[in-house]
Amino acid sequence: GENVEQHPSTLSVQEGDSAVIKCTYSDSASNYFPWYKQELGKRPQLIIDIRSNVGEKKDQRIAVTLNKTAKHFSLHITETQPEDSAVYFCAARLNSGGYQKVTFGTGTKLQVIP
Amino acid sequence: KAGVTQTPRYLIKTRGQQVTLSCSPISGHRSVSWYQQTPGQGLQFLFEYFSETQRNKGNFPGRFSGRQFSNSRSEMNVSTLELGDSALYLCASSLARRDKNTEAFFGQGTRLTVV
Repeated sequence: GENVEQHPSTLSVQEGDSAVIKCTYSDSASNYFPWYKQELGKRPQLIIDIRSNVGEKKDQRIAVTLNKTAKHFSLHITETQPEDSAVYFCAARLNSGGYQKVTFGTGTKLQVIP
Repeated sequence: KAGVTQTPRYLIKTRGQQVTLSCSPISGHRSVSWYQQTPGQGLQFLFEYFSETQRNKGNFPGRFSGRQFSNSRSEMNVSTLELGDSALYLCASSLARRDKNTEAFFGQGTRLTVV
C-alpha cells in the first residue's frame, strides 16, 4: 500500500518568512496530491491540490510542487502571516482496483511568530 | 449545501464499553472515510465505505468496525474501549469519481475520551 512521509513535524518561522513542508510517497501510481490545513479545534480543509500531470501549482501565497521521478511533493507558503499557523497535512491518492485510497502524512505544525 | 455532520461532538466513555459514532456525508457523496487523529500520530486511516461496502481498511484491530447505509450515512463502532482509543475521530466524504478530483470534505469530528 501507499506510504506518505511528511517533514518536518514542527516548523516555526518569523512572520513574513517562507515555510516549506515536504512529503514523499511510495507508490508511483498515486496521481493526486491534496494539502489540508487544520486550525486549532477545527476540521481539516483543502487548501491546494496537484495532479500527477502537473509539476507546479500556485494560488496566491501558497504553491505546491511535484517531482514524480523522486516521488516527492512540497508545500510552499510565502510571506507567512500569523493566521497561517495551523497543522498542515499532505496526502496522496492511489487508484487501486478501480477504487481510490487517500493516505495522509502525519502532519506539520506550523507556527508563525509575529 | 450542508457539510459533513458528525454526531455526537463529544463523548466520554469508560474502559470496556462500546461506542457508536455517526457521520452524515454531503448530499450526493457516496464515499465516507473514517480517521483517528491523535497528537503526534496525525490522521490514521480506519476504513472507507462506498455504496454500503467497505472497500479499504487501515491497520486497526477488529474492535473497530463500521457500516454504511443506503443513504450513505455511516457509523463506526468501537467495542471494548481502551484508554488509548481516546482521540478525535474524523469522517470525510467525497464524490469518489475516478475521473475527477475527489476532494475530501471533513466533518468537525467526535472527540472521544475513554476514562
